[in-house]
Amino acid sequence: LAKTTQPISMDSYEGQEVNITCSHNNIATNDYITWYQQFPSQGPRFIIQGYKTKVTNEVASLFIPADRKSSTLSLPRVSLSDTAVYYCLVVSFNKFYFGSGTKLNVKP
Amino acid sequence: DAGITQSPRHKVTETGTPVTLRCHQTENHRYMYWYRQDPGHGLRLIHYSYGVKDTDKGEVSDGYSVSRSKTEDFLLTLESATSSQTSVYFCAISPSSGSFRKSYNEQFFGPGTRLTVL
Repeated sequence: LAKTTQPISMDSYEGQEVNITCSHNNIATNDYITWYQQFPSQGPRFIIQGYKTKVTNEVASLFIPADRKSSTLSLPRVSLSDTAVYYCLVVSFNKFYFGSGTKLNVKP
Repeated sequence: DAGITQSPRHKVTETGTPVTLRCHQTENHRYMYWYRQDPGHGLRLIHYSYGVKDTDKGEVSDGYSVSRSKTEDFLLTLESATSSQTSVYFCAISPSSGSFRKSYNEQFFGPGTRLTVL
């Protein structure tokens, strides 16, 4: 089973880089890992996805080591507006494994 | 919200009554999903659809049924609502991208429906 595990919460300060890790054992070689952001009373919003090495877009980077047992979402220079809950998702063998979410609190 | 609407947005009903939630998309995406979100459980997949009339169960499908008779609409029905089905329900869609693995991961969510079963 590719159960996904994340830290429950993290604190950071404005301007810092934040790294949130998701553990996911037993995923297949071509399974994607995806990260979502959710604000209160809204649906989750897609941030980034990848299945190997490193992916970068305009808001985040995703690092996936060679053993693929975990992945790390990296948010550069966070601001107060990045305070939200972040979820990882792995879909493996047609099973959907959402992590329980990491609540990121960005302080001024 | 990527051309996704959910109706109703809020509903209060009584135990034992049938309830249908509607998800409507204007993106012509192939895949559609229904999730529930509860404190302490995160997002859990109820059912999903990979095409018109093609659906499959998720991890918490008991007590729920779905139908998709056209691309743009995905209905979730609680045949006989129970208090344990009080939750926030999210619909999501994703496009066909040549890789079903990638498609399943790149989802766009609707605004949610808050359902209370008394």
